[in-house]
Order: sequence, then C-alpha cells, then structure tokens
Amino acid sequence: AQSVTQPDIHITVSEGASLELRCNYSYGATPYLFWYVQSPGQGLQLLLKYFSGDTLVQGIKGFEAEFKRSQSSFNLRKPSVHWSDAAEYFCAALRGAGSYQLTFGKGTKLSVIP
Amino acid sequence: DTGVSQDPRHKITKRGQNVTFRCDPISEHNRLYWYRQTLGQGPEFLTYFQNEAQLEKSRLLSDRFSAERPKGSFSTLEIQRTEQGDSAMYLCASSVTSGRGYEQFFGPGTRLTVL
Repeated sequence: AQSVTQPDIHITVSEGASLELRCNYSYGATPYLFWYVQSPGQGLQLLLKYFSGDTLVQGIKGFEAEFKRSQSSFNLRKPSVHWSDAAEYFCAALRGAGSYQLTFGKGTKLSVIP
Repeated sequence: DTGVSQDPRHKITKRGQNVTFRCDPISEHNRLYWYRQTLGQGPEFLTYFQNEAQLEKSRLLSDRFSAERPKGSFSTLEIQRTEQGDSAMYLCASSVTSGRGYEQFFGPGTRLTVL
C-alpha cells in the first residue's frame, strides 16, 4: 500500500541549531512530494514541493528538502531554527500525474528551546 | 487572494445530531478537497470536486457523510447522525486545474466535537 512515514513524532531543538525532519515514502513509482507546516489553530501551509528534476528543493521560510530515490526519502532541513518554527510538520505525497489524493504522514511536532 | 475560508471554526454537537460545514475556496480554483484530521494523525482524504462534479470519494466517507458543490464555488460537508468517532478537524483545500494544480491550499479547518 502507498504510504508516507515520518519516524519522529516529536523533536526538540535549540534555537539557532540545525534541523532535519525525516520522511520516507512507499510507492511503486516516485510520487510528487510535499512538506506542509501546521501551527496551532492554523491550516496547513505548503513549505515546498518536489515533482522532478533537481533533488534539492528550496522552500519558504528558509527550509529546503532533499529527495533521495535510493533511500525513498524526502527529508526537510533548516540550517538555523527560529523559535517561530515551532509547529507540526507533515510530509505528503501524490501518486503522480492525474492523482489528487494527498497521503500524509502522521506528522512531526517540533519544539524549539530558546 | 483571500485564502480558503471555512465556517464554522468550531462546532460542538450531541451524538445523533446533523452538522453542516462550509468551505469557500480561493476564487478561480476549480478543484476543492475535503480531508479529516484526527488527533495525532495526518489529514486523510475524504473527497474532491472539479467544478461541481464530485470525482473521487474515499472509503472513509460513509453513507452518513455527503458533500456538495452546487455551483462550482463553495462546498458543504454534511454529517448526519453524528457519532463520537466523527470528532475531528475537517479541512478544506483548493487548487487550480492547470500548471500548479498539484499544489493544494488549505483552510484553517472546522473542529468538530461530538459529545
């Protein structure tokens, strides 16, 4: 079955430290991949997306993600975390062209220590 | 671009009652999606519309659930005879149909609590 896995339920980092949130997918072919962020009481905001091409994609708020086909991974990174980055982060996938059902991971909650 | 809006933001109801939620997509977005998010989980797809046509429905969408998009603009999601297991955040999203049609923009959600 197609699935998206986020192995870390909760991560705590110090402000200014680097961040990496893990995401693995299980699909027959390379899906379209997304990272969303959800702050309390807010909807999901798209951080970045990968369809094809360059495996390192840049997003908003200083985030980037690297697609690694060999590891079926699409990990989210940020070199220096700010307190305002505390939120829940979701990795999501679409099966491919013509598919519109996003499949989400269970999310990783990020806490930032001042 | 005013974003996707949802109404109400919160709804508390008693088991067995019917509830209806509304979603207004970003103007000129032809596709509209409904997702459900329970505590500790990621959103799960329920259904989607292209204009007024409902094109896909998840098995999660039981017979008690019905969604409409009568004029291809706003959409409603109705839950009949609510059950405690229906307690969740109901999220609406919209997208265009061309080019960047795979990017879905989400609203703030309607949090349903069934007592």
